This record gives sequence, C-alpha cells and structure tokens, in this order.
Amino acid sequence: AQRVTQPEKLLSVFKGAPVELKCNYSYSGSPELFWYVQYSRQRLQLLLRHISRESIKGFTADLNKGETSFHLKKPFAQEEDSAMYYCALSPPGGAQKLVFGQGTRLTINP
Amino acid sequence: NAGVMQNPRHLVRRRGQEARLRCSPMKGHSHVYWYRQLPEEGLKFMVYLQKENIIDESGMPKERFSAEFPKEGPSILRIQQVVRGDSAAYFCASSLSLTDTQYFGPGTRLTVL
Repeated sequence: AQRVTQPEKLLSVFKGAPVELKCNYSYSGSPELFWYVQYSRQRLQLLLRHISRESIKGFTADLNKGETSFHLKKPFAQEEDSAMYYCALSPPGGAQKLVFGQGTRLTINP
Repeated sequence: NAGVMQNPRHLVRRRGQEARLRCSPMKGHSHVYWYRQLPEEGLKFMVYLQKENIIDESGMPKERFSAEFPKEGPSILRIQQVVRGDSAAYFCASSLSLTDTQYFGPGTRLTVL
C-alpha cells in the first residue's frame, strides 16, 4: 500500500536552531518524493522534489531508500519558516496522484 | 499568470442539496487533479482529468461524486445529495504535463449543515 507518515503533527524550535521534519513512506517500487509547504493564508506550494536535488530556502531533503525516509532539514531555522509542511509521493515518472502525509506544523520561536 | 483559481472559496449546503465546485487551471495546463482534506488529515487524491477525459478516478467515492473537465470552461467537482461527512476542504491542482509540478488552488471549504 502507498502511505506517507509524518510522525510529528507539531514541531517547535527556536530561531537559529537546526530543524528536521520527518517523513517515512511505504511504496513497492521507487516513487518520486516531494515536500510541499503552506504558509499562513497562502496556498499549498511545492518546496522541493527529490529528483531536482535542489536546496530551496535553505531546506534540503535526502531520499534514503534503505530506511524509506525523506526527511526535510534546515541547519538554521528562520521565523518565516513557520508553516505547515506536507511530505508526498507519487508513482515514478510522473507527478500525478500525489499521496500526502498528514502534515507537520512547524513553529519557529524568536 | 493568475494561478489556479477555485470558486467559491466557501460553500454552505444543507443535507441533501447539491454542491458544485469549480476549478480553473493555470493558463496552458491541461491536467487537473482534485484532492479532499478532512479535518486533521492530509490531502487525499480523488480524481485526475485531462481535457474531456477522466484518467484516474480511483479516489472518488462510488456514489454521489462526479467530475468533469470540458473542452471549454473550468473543471467541475459535483457532489449530489451532500451529507455531513462531505464537509471538507477541496483542493484543485493543475500541471502542464504528466511529469510537471502540480500547482494548487486556494481550495473550497464545504460545510454541510
């Protein structure tokens, strides 16, 4: 079965501290993995996808196939990072039919 | 580019009424996806359409729900005889191609009284 698990519903860290949002997935094959973010009063938007191997707004995510994880990391959190973060997967070769995790609400304290 | 547009943003219906949710994809996008988000849950895929065709409706409830994406005009998600359990946020996304990023609309929040 296809499943994405984000074990933390809420995560709070202080500004300047490292942040890691956990994501584990279940999929028979090699899915594509994504992180989406929703800032307050804004629409859901793509933060990064693993095939791009980009660093967006200081965030990176490494796909670990052995542990079936795709954790999102940032070495120094900023207040503007406060948002709802969703991990998602899709079948290989396309971005259709995204399977989302429940989301983690990240709060950066000043 | 105005982005994906959804209307209405908020919709209130009484049990048994019909709900029609509209989604206008980004200019040039011919792939449309609908997702539903129940309270305290992540988004769940419902249906994937290309112009005039339903490609994947594996996430759609078998009864009362239908979707279309006509040659002209927005994509419509239609819920007949709504029940309280249909109360949710419904999100539409569009993409340029099958492998392209999905861009999301602001969502329609449906409340069934």
